[in-house]
Amino acid sequence: GQSLEQPSEVTAVEGAIVQINCTYQTSGFYGLSWYQQHDGGAPTFLSYNALDGLEETGRFSSFLSRSDSYGYLLLQELQMKDSASYFCAVYTGGFKTIFGAGTRLFVKA
Amino acid sequence: ETGVTQTPRHLVMGMTNKKSLKCEQHLGHNAMYWYKQSAKKPLELMFVYSLEERVENNSVPSRFSPECPNSSHLFLHLHTLQPEDSALYLCASSQRQNTDTQYFGPGTRLTVL
Repeated sequence: GQSLEQPSEVTAVEGAIVQINCTYQTSGFYGLSWYQQHDGGAPTFLSYNALDGLEETGRFSSFLSRSDSYGYLLLQELQMKDSASYFCAVYTGGFKTIFGAGTRLFVKA
Repeated sequence: ETGVTQTPRHLVMGMTNKKSLKCEQHLGHNAMYWYKQSAKKPLELMFVYSLEERVENNSVPSRFSPECPNSSHLFLHLHTLQPEDSALYLCASSQRQNTDTQYFGPGTRLTVL
């Protein structure tokens, strides 16, 4: 079967750095994405890695290692507004994207 | 605002009712998707339409019936649902077949009594 594994919950303090890991097992792989979803809101796109390495976008960075079927989302200088669920997702081709179950991030003051 | 709107935002229905969910995208995208999001579970892809033709149907029960009259609108018709169908139903769109970036609507929170 196809699966993505990510921790269910992570807690960190304001101003800290947090890393959310994602391992995947899929029949096809074109790239790894990350989405953020606040309570009651729509998932919003954060980043996409098609090649190995680190992609940086402001306070957020995303990493991919295709040989390890592994990636992570790194959030720096955490803010209270970063409290949300974060989903990793693998684009397997055509119109199909497989999503993880999401990691709930709690940011404490 | 992501450019994808969904109505209604909340819906409560009985198992014998018939209702429809509506999605509209204002992004000029060619593909539209229906997902089901249940608590603590991955988003489940239900249907995909590309240029108004259904291209994916992930073994969804026939009590869910999609309709895509044009590239900007997508409907999900519901009838004789079960309580386990209660979930958040998300619509998304993307520009091209080989892109991963999907733009989601805010979802319809469905409760089946």
